[in-house]
Amino acid sequence: QQQVKQSPQSLIVQKGGISIINCAYENTAFDYFPWYQQFPGKGPALLIAIRPDVSEKKEGRFTISFNKSAKQFSLHIMDSQPGDSATYFCAAVEQTGANNLFFGTGTRLTVIP
Amino acid sequence: GAGVSQSPSNKVTEKGKDVELRCDPISGHTALYWYRQSLGQGLEFLIYFQGNSAPDKSGLPSDRFSAERTGGSVSTLTIQRTQQEDSAVYLCASSFTPSGAYEQYFGPGTRLTVT
Repeated sequence: QQQVKQSPQSLIVQKGGISIINCAYENTAFDYFPWYQQFPGKGPALLIAIRPDVSEKKEGRFTISFNKSAKQFSLHIMDSQPGDSATYFCAAVEQTGANNLFFGTGTRLTVIP
Repeated sequence: GAGVSQSPSNKVTEKGKDVELRCDPISGHTALYWYRQSLGQGLEFLIYFQGNSAPDKSGLPSDRFSAERTGGSVSTLTIQRTQQEDSAVYLCASSFTPSGAYEQYFGPGTRLTVT
């Protein structure tokens, strides 16, 4: 059973546009929500993360929006660039538990020049 | 400094054979994780090591899978009697402390193909 559900599976955006990837979870014990970026042939790399006590976190062109009551969070990539083309994974972790990450199924983003 | 390294990068094996996958974590990282990445399935947790504590094996899919971590550093994931459904990319990650689970640094993975 997928603990973190992610959509869409793939996304095509024009250069300069906004990319939006959505995730939802059920386990209210999750207390940290990172996003990972993965390029072909590489392992995932931490991009940005948020705790449930804030509703938004912004780092450069990347913003996480968090809705605790709806148990949903999303990644927004502003001014998307071809170099952003990668697979993005949302994840969740219960840091007082086993500390393993529960990943979404990934979104393959393609930014067209 | 050096990141997490894994070897081999690719492994092709025949069904029924045993395979060993190796992970060298970042020096000084006490926590080590193994994940499996299958096409369209995201990343699936397999096993977690923290220091000298007993590992959390709750994610291992069957008793054909096992892992060791020697001297608190290098880890080996062993798959016995491989099956075609074991074909996937096996990723290793490490973190400095267990409380920094979200700050996991991943290796490039080993792509396992079982024919």
